[in-house]
Formats: sequence, structure tokens, C-alpha cells
Amino acid sequence: DTAVSQTPKYLVTQMGNDKSIKCEQNLGHDTMYWYKQDSKKFLKIMFSYNNKELIINETVPNRFSPKSPDKAHLNLHINSLELGDSAVYFCASSQGGRRWESTDTQYFGPGTRLTVL
Amino acid sequence: GEDVEQSLFLSVREGDSSVINCTYTDSSSTYLYWYKQEPGAGLQLLTYIFSNMDMKQDQRLTVLLNKKDKHLSLRIADTQTGDSAIYFCAEKVMEAAGNKLTFGGGTRVLVKP
Repeated sequence: DTAVSQTPKYLVTQMGNDKSIKCEQNLGHDTMYWYKQDSKKFLKIMFSYNNKELIINETVPNRFSPKSPDKAHLNLHINSLELGDSAVYFCASSQGGRRWESTDTQYFGPGTRLTVL
Repeated sequence: GEDVEQSLFLSVREGDSSVINCTYTDSSSTYLYWYKQEPGAGLQLLTYIFSNMDMKQDQRLTVLLNKKDKHLSLRIADTQTGDSAIYFCAEKVMEAAGNKLTFGGGTRVLVKP
């Protein structure tokens, strides 16, 4: 009964390849996110989707294309992988909502460690 | 602007208290969070505090918020070896499009027996 799950957990691939990471949440949340954690553990948001609609895109190269087939899933497709894409990618979800006083707490998946050789 | 900073490392003896500090710059933050990341694992939400509160206690965890100085701290009482991890503070930033979390760089806590 994992709340936010990601597959695969590890992904090793050659430069130039195209790969996808999948994320699913069973919390009934409306909003999902992708974060990138670099080798120094610095975490930065990449994308946010609310009800299948892209709402935040943080100047990520267009080689990264998120896709949300339904509000419980947010997949990340990466074209033409580069060495600098090596990182841990975290998916997260939250209830959403734009009220100033709402916590909108984000719950994270276990991460996908991507290594580009 | 959005910038969240934390000290890099903290070493503490088992049974002592740990205090992890964080500073942030966005005065419009409504919620501030503490997450824990164990080696090879995802981020686990520990606690959060609303910006109109000064303090929140949850079992061994105490969060203090000084909104004037934009300073947040997490105190762990009776620190145990299982508390060894990286601790991230994060602020909720509301943008026109939606909410996002801005994270600090993480504080690596090492608990020595």
C-alpha cells in the first residue's frame, strides 16, 4: 500500500539513449511533482502537474518531457540522455489547492537513481 | 527571492540533543517543513510549522520559528543512532501557477554511539 511509488529504482544507460521513469500515487492527490537531486544532495523542482495539467516548468531542457495520463500518474521521459542527467529523480504528490493557509504537504516516492555512462 | 540555507554537517553523541538550523529568504512563506532522508531512501516528512506559529513540538522533535530573522530550527531530543540521516528544511512558495517547495542543501547528521 505504498503511497507514492516509482519505477525503476535504478536505471543505468548510455549517453544518447531515451528513457522513462514512472510514478504513481494512491493518495487521491490532485498535484504531482518531479524533483532532481544532484550528487551534492541538492534538491530542485523540475515540474508540477495539477489534474493532468502542467503548472510549473522550472527551465528544464526540453529533452525532459513529463506526461500525466491521469491524475494518479506522472511519468518522466528523457531524450538524448547526457552525463549531466545522472542524478536521483524524486516524484512527489500533494493535495493541491491554492489557499494560503493550506499545508499542501508533499509526499515523496523512494527515488530513481539514474546513471548515464 | 528564494534561497534556503543550512549548515552541511552535524556530529552528535547518542543521547544528546541535536539542533539543525535553517535560514530562508521568502517572507511570504506560509509553511516550513523538515524532511529526513536516510541513505538510499526517499524523503520522509518529519514535521512542519505554519508561519504564524513560533514553536511546534512532536514527541522528540521541536521546531522553532523566528519569522523576523527568517530562521527555522529542528531540535531532536535524546538523539539515537537511527536519527543519522540528511535533514532538509523546505519552504512552501506560492507562485501564480502553483505551489512548490524550495529546499535547503541538507544537513548531514551523524550520531556517534
